[in-house]
Amino acid sequence: QVKLLQSGAALVKPGDSVKMSCKASGYTFTDYIIHWVKQSHGKSLEWIGYINPYSGGTNYNEKFKSKATLTVDKSSSTAYMEFSRLTSEDSAIYYCARERWYLLLRYFDYWGQGVMVTVSS
Amino acid sequence: DIQMTQSPASLSASLGETISIECRASEDIYSNLAWYQQKSGKSPQLLIYAANRLQDGVPSRFSGSGSGTQYSLKISGMQPEDEGDYFCLQGSKFPLTFGSGTKLEIK
Repeated sequence: QVKLLQSGAALVKPGDSVKMSCKASGYTFTDYIIHWVKQSHGKSLEWIGYINPYSGGTNYNEKFKSKATLTVDKSSSTAYMEFSRLTSEDSAIYYCARERWYLLLRYFDYWGQGVMVTVSS
Repeated sequence: DIQMTQSPASLSASLGETISIECRASEDIYSNLAWYQQKSGKSPQLLIYAANRLQDGVPSRFSGSGSGTQYSLKISGMQPEDEGDYFCLQGSKFPLTFGSGTKLEIK
């Protein structure tokens, strides 16, 4: 079955970077785009960007363009997101999610379990 | 950016009650809308995609409708396991945007 297994929680200091992973299984990794989503305050959701594992092509939300870097390792079916210059505003849960299409309609069908990032000195 | 206005922010329903949650887009999203359920401490689970298509394995008491800028999720007969947060996602235009969420509780 399809699974997106994300790395564990991270406690980082302000100004540091964090790199989290999303390991896919149960399907052909390069066939589906992976998106990243931020969930703050237990509820509000923001789209960060996506990466196409086949081509490595990316598309970022302008808000996160200077903050997030998305990469993949096809050999291990793993997507990565690095978040840099962290501040307290970056404390949140970060999800990866798989993109699906029905006709011309985009949605996410599977989500990882989330990575809780806490930024604190 | 497309703004997704979701209402109500919270809702309390009795067992067996039928409830509706709305999402209004700031522009036409051409049925490019999905609904998710999120239980406390868990990741979101897909309920509805393409505005009205039920995801495999989701109980038939969940249904979606709408077009253009107005969409709704209906639960026909609230069950205890339906407690949680619900939100919509528009997949029409980047940046993708989400509704602000609805907290659904048992009365």
